[in-house]
Amino acid sequence: GQNIDQPTEMTATEGAIVQINCTYQTSGFNGLFWYQQHAGEAPTFLSYNVLDGLEEKGRFSSFLSRSKGYSYLLLKELQMKDSASYLCAVVDSNYQLIWGAGTKLIIKP
Amino acid sequence: DTGVSQDPRHKITKRGQNVTFRCDPISEHNRLYWYRQTLGQGPEFLTYFQNEAQLEKSRLLSDRFSAERPKGSFSTLEIQRTEQGDSAMYLCASRTLAGDSDTQYFGPGTRLTVL
Repeated sequence: GQNIDQPTEMTATEGAIVQINCTYQTSGFNGLFWYQQHAGEAPTFLSYNVLDGLEEKGRFSSFLSRSKGYSYLLLKELQMKDSASYLCAVVDSNYQLIWGAGTKLIIKP
Repeated sequence: DTGVSQDPRHKITKRGQNVTFRCDPISEHNRLYWYRQTLGQGPEFLTYFQNEAQLEKSRLLSDRFSAERPKGSFSTLEIQRTEQGDSAMYLCASRTLAGDSDTQYFGPGTRLTVL
């Protein structure tokens, strides 16, 4: 079967750094996405990794290790508006998105 | 605003009624996806279209669900004889086949409540 694992919930402090991990077991791999989803809203695209390594985009970075089936999303200089769910999704061999359940990130002042 | 729109944004219906949702993707996007999402879960794939062709439908999707994209532009998702378990957020996403981007852009969703 196909499986995406990420922590259910994490708490961090405003201004700090947080790393959200994602491990996957899928039939094939054609890339990994991170999406942000605020409560009651649709997911919005954050990052896409298809090669190993770190992709940096402003305060957000995403890392991929295909051999380990592992990715993380790193958020720096946390702001209250970063409170949201962060969804990891893998593109499988059929080019379909397999979604994790999401990690709810709570930011405290 | 990603450029993908959905209508209505909210729908409340009684069990047993039929409902229809509409999605207008980004105009140059070939692929259109429908997902269902319940609280605390990631989106669950329902079906997708490439232009007007429905290429895949989830095995979990019952016969009460049907989707169309007649002209390869907007799409409709119909649920017949709704059940309380159909209550969820229904998300539409689109993407282009041009270039090397697999990014799907989501609409705001339609929240369905079945009483």
